[in-house]
Amino acid sequence: DAKTTQPTSMDCAEGRAANLPCNHSTISGNEYVYWYRQIHSQGPQYIIHGLKNNETNEMASLIITEDRKSSTLILPHATLRDTAVYYCIVPRSPLSGTASKLTFGTGTRLQVTL
Amino acid sequence: EAGVTQSPTHLIKTRGQQATLRCSPISGHTSVYWYQQALGLGLQFLLWYDEGEERNRGNFPPRFSGRQFPNYSSELNVNALELEDSALYLCASSLATKYQETQYFGPGTRLLVL
Repeated sequence: DAKTTQPTSMDCAEGRAANLPCNHSTISGNEYVYWYRQIHSQGPQYIIHGLKNNETNEMASLIITEDRKSSTLILPHATLRDTAVYYCIVPRSPLSGTASKLTFGTGTRLQVTL
Repeated sequence: EAGVTQSPTHLIKTRGQQATLRCSPISGHTSVYWYQQALGLGLQFLLWYDEGEERNRGNFPPRFSGRQFPNYSSELNVNALELEDSALYLCASSLATKYQETQYFGPGTRLLVL
């Protein structure tokens, strides 16, 4: 998997937008950027993924820079239930012949406060 | 639509015993992945099954093994349990992996080895 770099922790006030950055400067042209989150002791939850264009779903928005070397996950109105560890992952494309495993780094611990 | 299910939720074993963990993927998903999350550590890729075949395994000893059944459910077996095998074991499923497909995780099985 392409190496990703995320801040260790971030704080966000409830109701405000949470912007979580991720650097992935070694990403290849056909590799996607995935975001998952893990709330304490639960299984990781898929949030969103993208290739080149910005993406939005009911949970979040994903902004990918034009050179694809970094991205930002945006939670538009963070709530206390969004407190979790957020992982940015760039899996190796299975077309390259390697396994479709996900490599989880240390992620960003987001603390949403009142 | 039912998500990925895992059983049991908790499992307590003693050193040297064997543990069997089970996973049922999302309907229509043919790939199953197993990950280990030891306390304080990140998720580590264990095994990947697709269409009944083991496609790849992570850096774990052979006493970690598994299989995938014709209905695509999967079993993870851990033989000769050691104390350090205590961890949250997570199963994920995805559609066929010719292209990068999103992995959806179950709630996990928490294994405690005494």
